[in-house]
Amino acid sequence: EAAVTQSPRNKVAVTGGKVTLSCNQTNNHNNMYWYRQDTGHGLRLIHYSYGAGSTEKGDIPDGYKASRPSQENFSLILELATPSQTSVYFCASGDRDRGQAPLFGEGTRLSVL
Amino acid sequence: GQQVQQSPTSLVLQEGENAELQCNFSTSLNSMQWFYQRPGGSLISVFYNPSGTKQSGRLTSTTVIKERRSSLHISSSQITDSGTYLCAMVSSGSWQLIFGSGTQLTVMP
Repeated sequence: EAAVTQSPRNKVAVTGGKVTLSCNQTNNHNNMYWYRQDTGHGLRLIHYSYGAGSTEKGDIPDGYKASRPSQENFSLILELATPSQTSVYFCASGDRDRGQAPLFGEGTRLSVL
Repeated sequence: GQQVQQSPTSLVLQEGENAELQCNFSTSLNSMQWFYQRPGGSLISVFYNPSGTKQSGRLTSTTVIKERRSSLHISSSQITDSGTYLCAMVSSGSWQLIFGSGTQLTVMP
């Protein structure tokens, strides 16, 4: 069964600390995405990837890095976390070439204090 | 400006009533997708609808690409339909989703 798994599900970090959010998909999808969801802004795209080794900037990439070491894994990295990055983060995978619409993970709730 | 305009922002229904949710797009789109989200929950794809009309149970999605609009019709609403409904356009290049701000639906007994 197609699945997108995020870890951790909840995270509390301190300002200035490093945070890594992980995402694993078992769908063999080429495309993967990181979004954040905030009240009043909906879901906004941070970074995405076309495949292993590829990372692209989305609409709000500042303060975030991404890493796609393999087809299955896509990480979002906050090198110096700030309170403004407190949000719910969603990972998704999809495949344009196969016309497979994005599937979403359960989300990671991040609080930066 | 915002590429995806979703309306209404919120909607309260009595159980059994019908609902019509709308999305309008300011740019051309490749396809579109409707999602359902419970508070604090993940996004569940309701329809992936490139064009035309699709039906699943009490839900019907209609997308008219030329007119840059899509609608989600919920018939005979139930309390369990309560939650947030989001539409998103699928960009043709990166296959990324551009979301509307959502419609918060509350169905009362």
